This record gives sequence, structure tokens and C-alpha cells, in this order.
Amino acid sequence: GENVEQHPSTLSVQEGDSAVIKCTYSDSASNYFPWYKQELGKGPQLIIDIRSNVGEKKDQRIAVTLNKTAKHFSLHITETQPEDSAVYFCAASLNNDMRFGAGTRLTVKP
Amino acid sequence: KAGVTQTPRYLIKTRGQQVTLSCSPISGHRSVSWYQQTPGQGLQFLFEYFSETQRNKGNFPGRFSGRQFSNSRSEMNVSTLELGDSALYLCASIEVAGYYNEQFFGPGTRLTVL
Repeated sequence: GENVEQHPSTLSVQEGDSAVIKCTYSDSASNYFPWYKQELGKGPQLIIDIRSNVGEKKDQRIAVTLNKTAKHFSLHITETQPEDSAVYFCAASLNNDMRFGAGTRLTVKP
Repeated sequence: KAGVTQTPRYLIKTRGQQVTLSCSPISGHRSVSWYQQTPGQGLQFLFEYFSETQRNKGNFPGRFSGRQFSNSRSEMNVSTLELGDSALYLCASIEVAGYYNEQFFGPGTRLTVL
């Protein structure tokens, strides 16, 4: 089955800097790669996703890139703000079989 | 439209008891998945239901079961609770969009087993 690895497990940046979180997946058939943000006491919230037929997608300060050949995808957050502090999860999915990375705790210091 | 609703939000039980958690998906969504989230194991898939049928099941013991009703609401049940069952149980409402299915999570039910 699919195995998703996520790095780093913790990331601390200064407000205004960029943050990058990377994930690799094992099943080349996976075709959908969402990213979730989870704040304390809440469920994961879908923030951006990318399909296997797209290499890059951007939504304001957030962008995701996908390298199908290398089987890795990354989340890029620019101009980070304290409210970006949360745990971020990547996932890889084929049909409804979705596997999650272990999460990255991002701290943005003001 | 309203988001995913999970009830109760918090629950405290003792070992050996059983518990039932409820999830109401987003209106119009017919598929629901359940996950267990713990600090040590992360997000682990429990099962998925579509139109009242279990379509997929994760690697959990038979003490974990679920069902879905005709209105798409879903319940999961854990019998003979163990300390290790303490976790955040998340329900995801799935928008079946052909080839790609987006999952929208509820706030979760925090279960504590004493």
C-alpha cells in the first residue's frame, strides 16, 4: 500500500520568511495530493491540493509542486504570518484510499 | 452550506465500556471516512462508507465498527474500550468528483479512556 513520508517534523521560521514542507510517496498510481492544516482543537482543514496531471498550483501565499517522476511533492508558504502556525499534513490518494504523512509542526515567530 | 458535524465533541469512558460516535456529512455528500488520530501514530484510516455500504476498511481490530444510514449520517462504535483507544476520532465528508475525491474533516470527537 501507499506510504507517505513527510519532512521536517518541526519547522520554526521568522515572520515574513518562507516555509517549505516536503513529502514523498511510494505508489506511483496515486493521483491526488492534498495538504491539510490542523490548528489546536480542530480537525484538519484542506488548504490546497494538486492532481497528478498538474505540476504546480498556487493560491495566494500557498503553492504546491509535484514531481511525479521522483514521487515527491512540496508545500511552499511565503510571507509567513503567526496565524500560519499549525500542524500541516500531506496526503497521497488513489480513489478513496488516502494515506497521510506524519505531520509538520510549523511555528512562525513574530 | 453547513460543514461536517461530529457529536459528541468530548467523551470520557472507562476500560471495557463501549462508545458510539456520530458524524453528519456535508449536505449532498454520500461518502464518509473515519480516522483515528493519536500523537504516536498520526492519522490512521478506520473505514469508509458510501451509500450505506462499507467500501474500505483499515487495519483495526473488530472492536471498531461503523455504519451509515440512508441520510448519509454515519456512526462508529468501539466496544470493550482499551486505554490505547484514547484518541481524536475524525470523520471526513467526501465529495465524489469523479476521478478525484476531496475530503473535508469535521472537528473530531476527543475520546479519553480511563
